[in-house]
Amino acid sequence: GQQVMQIPQYQHVQEGEDFTTYCNSSTTLSNIQWYKQRPGGHPVFLIQLVKSGEVKKQKRLTFQFGEAKKNSSLHITATQTTDVGTYFCAGRRSGGATNKLIFGTGTLLAVQP
Amino acid sequence: NAGVMQNPRHLVRRRGQEARLRCSPMKGHSHVYWYRQLPEEGLKFMVYLQKENIIDESGMPKERFSAEFPKEGPSILRIQQVVRGDSAAYFCASSPVYSNQPQHFGDGTRLSIL
Repeated sequence: GQQVMQIPQYQHVQEGEDFTTYCNSSTTLSNIQWYKQRPGGHPVFLIQLVKSGEVKKQKRLTFQFGEAKKNSSLHITATQTTDVGTYFCAGRRSGGATNKLIFGTGTLLAVQP
Repeated sequence: NAGVMQNPRHLVRRRGQEARLRCSPMKGHSHVYWYRQLPEEGLKFMVYLQKENIIDESGMPKERFSAEFPKEGPSILRIQQVVRGDSAAYFCASSPVYSNQPQHFGDGTRLSIL
């Protein structure tokens, strides 16, 4: 079945350092979404990418969708303690029969002040 | 609060009992999704429903688990004869009619099996 892997599984940074998480799908995706889940909380939608090679920015966060629409990345510049949480990518299979999202394995970000 | 509402927030059951988890989608949303999350793990898709229809249940265990989304009232995820391995956080999400829309998540139900 369709698999979506993320690396690294866990990252510990000092406040002010940059952070990147990578998302790779075994199948081509129609679009990709990114979610953030704070410890003890629920996933919260961050952004959606649809076009091949698309790049979107939200303040210190930069999201990319690969040319082949099988991979994506999230880069955070100058991390802050408020960035702590698990970041999930989630994709819909291109040509898939249903609307379901397959979530990546997630990257847990810890930020030391 | 117009968000996705899940209840109860915490549910404790003994092995062999039944667990019923409820989810009311955001106003105007007609698509509901259920996910299971084990500690320190990702979200596993379970089932996708529209009103009175199961659209995709490819992530549901074959036995003991069922889901419904009736014409009136919340969506229900039902687990019969619970076992220790059912202990997890169960999240419900909803989205509008159109595909490719973001999913809005509820706060989840933390199910603990004694």
